[in-house]
Amino acid sequence: GAGVSQTPSNKVTEKGKYVELRCDPISGHTALYWYRQSLGQGPEFLIYFQGTGAADDSGLPNDRFFAVRPEGSVSTLKIQRTERGDSAVYLCASSRVGTGAYFGPGTRLTVT
Amino acid sequence: QKEVEQDPGPLSVPEGAIVSLNCTYSNSAFQYFMWYRQYSRKGPELLMYTYSSGNKEDGRFTAQVDKSSKYISLFIRDSQPSDSATYLCAMSAGGGSNYKLTFGKGTLLTVNP
Repeated sequence: GAGVSQTPSNKVTEKGKYVELRCDPISGHTALYWYRQSLGQGPEFLIYFQGTGAADDSGLPNDRFFAVRPEGSVSTLKIQRTERGDSAVYLCASSRVGTGAYFGPGTRLTVT
Repeated sequence: QKEVEQDPGPLSVPEGAIVSLNCTYSNSAFQYFMWYRQYSRKGPELLMYTYSSGNKEDGRFTAQVDKSSKYISLFIRDSQPSDSATYLCAMSAGGGSNYKLTFGKGTLLTVNP
């Protein structure tokens, strides 16, 4: 079956610009997660959705980061006023109760 | 001290060797333990998912969890060049769903033909 998909696969933007990253989870998975992975590091938790609501957004680094999941399926991670330190691979994952999380291929964000 | 410690390697072994990968952790609330394989410029791929202590086997892979020692392991038998990747351990306190994973840094494995 189809896995988690993320678009775009690569995004290059200038410092100060706004970006949106999209995630399509596996059909039927109620839980959706965003992680950020820097080079040589494991993924770091950003936010977790159960259905439409953000159950835990404690990993969002500051108020420039925001994520939504309005219909309980597709999610968008939004970053305002991007900074060079935001450059990383942004990973989305989904799961259902009793399984591990399945990750998408990621969006590689580069802020110049 | 980080919550999850994992030796980043690199680890290089000949084809056919048994590989042992390990993580230690400090948070006694962790109950769900996972191993992921990540190829270069790809997303992590779930290999093993276990709950609490014990062993789980799937093909050439065996996962072990020792909660009393806060130590988890992944063994790969008859390693193949295609196993060359970064292996990430992950764990969560999760209440029945896979929630807020905490990852190790990953161990880079190379299997030489």
